[in-house]
This record gives sequence, C-alpha cells and structure tokens, in this order.
Amino acid sequence: GQNIDQPTEMTATEGAIVQINCTYQTSGFNGLFWYQQHAGEAPTFLSYNVLDGLEEKGRFSSFLSRSKGYSYLLLKELQMKDSASYLCAVMDSNYQLIWGAGTKLIIKP
Amino acid sequence: KAGVTQTPRYLIKTRGQQVTLSCSPISGHRSVSWYQQTPGQGLQFLFEYFSETQRNKGNFPGRFSGRQFSNSRSEMNVSTLELGDSALYLCASSSDRGPLNEKLFFGSGTQLSVL
Repeated sequence: GQNIDQPTEMTATEGAIVQINCTYQTSGFNGLFWYQQHAGEAPTFLSYNVLDGLEEKGRFSSFLSRSKGYSYLLLKELQMKDSASYLCAVMDSNYQLIWGAGTKLIIKP
Repeated sequence: KAGVTQTPRYLIKTRGQQVTLSCSPISGHRSVSWYQQTPGQGLQFLFEYFSETQRNKGNFPGRFSGRQFSNSRSEMNVSTLELGDSALYLCASSSDRGPLNEKLFFGSGTQLSVL
C-alpha cells in the first residue's frame, strides 16, 4: 500500500529552527508537496520538490531524497504565526496526491 | 482574485439524511478536487472534476458523488449519511496547466457533523 509518515506533533521555541520530516512509500513518484494549514483555515501551498536536493524560499526550505523516500521541511527564525499543521503529500504514478496525516507544530515564546 | 469559496461553512445533519456541498473555484480554474479531512488522518481524496467530467476517483462508497457545472462550480453530495461521515470536506481548484507541480488552492471547507 501507499504510505506517508510524519510526526504527529512537534514543539519549538520562537526564533529557533525546526525540521519536520516526511517519509513515503508510494507507487511511483511525481513530486512532493508541503502545505501549511492554520487551525480552521484552508491549507496553503508551501513548496514542491521533484529533484533531489534543497529548495530554499525565505525562512522555509524543503529537502528531498528520492532514493531514501524522504523529505523534510526546515523552518528558520520561527515566529508565533508559524504555529500550524504542516502537510506532506506525494504525487504518485497516476498523478494522484497521497497525503500524510500532518504535523502539528506548536511554537512557544 | 477571489479564492475558492465553499458553502455552507458548517452543517449539522442526522443519520440517513443526505447533504449537498458547494464549491466555487478560482476564476479560470477548470479542475476541482474534493477531499475529506478527519483528525489524525491525512486528506482522503474523493474525486476530481475537469471540464464537467470526473477525471479521477478515490476509494469512497457510491454514497459520495459529485458533479461539475459549465462554469466550473462543483457540488458534492453524500446520501444516507453515517456517523463516520462527520468530517471537514475540502475543495481545491487548480489551473491544470500540466500534471506536475500543480499546486492546489483550497477553500476553507465545510465542517459536516452527523448526529
């Protein structure tokens, strides 16, 4: 079967750095997405990786290793507004998105 | 540019009833997807519509159905509601320029409670 694993919850301190991991086993691979979802709101797109390596976008970076079936989202200089759930999703060989359960990130002052 | 609009925002129904949820995509977007989200579970794909045709379908029973109109607005219907159907139903639209790197724009969802 297809599977996406993420930690359920993480806690970090304002101003610090946090890394949210995502491992996947899917039928084929056509890219990996990260979305952010604040409580009670719509998920919003953060990043897309299809090739191995690090993609940096401001305070957020996303890394992919296809051989290891592994990705991480790195958040730097954490702000209180970064408290949210972070969703990892993989597009499989049928171009369907398979979603992880999400990681709830709690930022403490 | 207006975002994806879902109505209603909240809905309370009883077992056995049916419900219709509505989604208006971003202007110009022709692809609309529906997802079910429950606590502790990833988004579960229901179906995707493109130009009024169902292009993809997830593993949900036939009680879940949908359609898309010529203006790209979409509706989702659930018949004979069960307690387990209680969830947040999210709609997402995309411009569908190609299958890869096709980021989705989500609505805020309809929170359905079945009593």
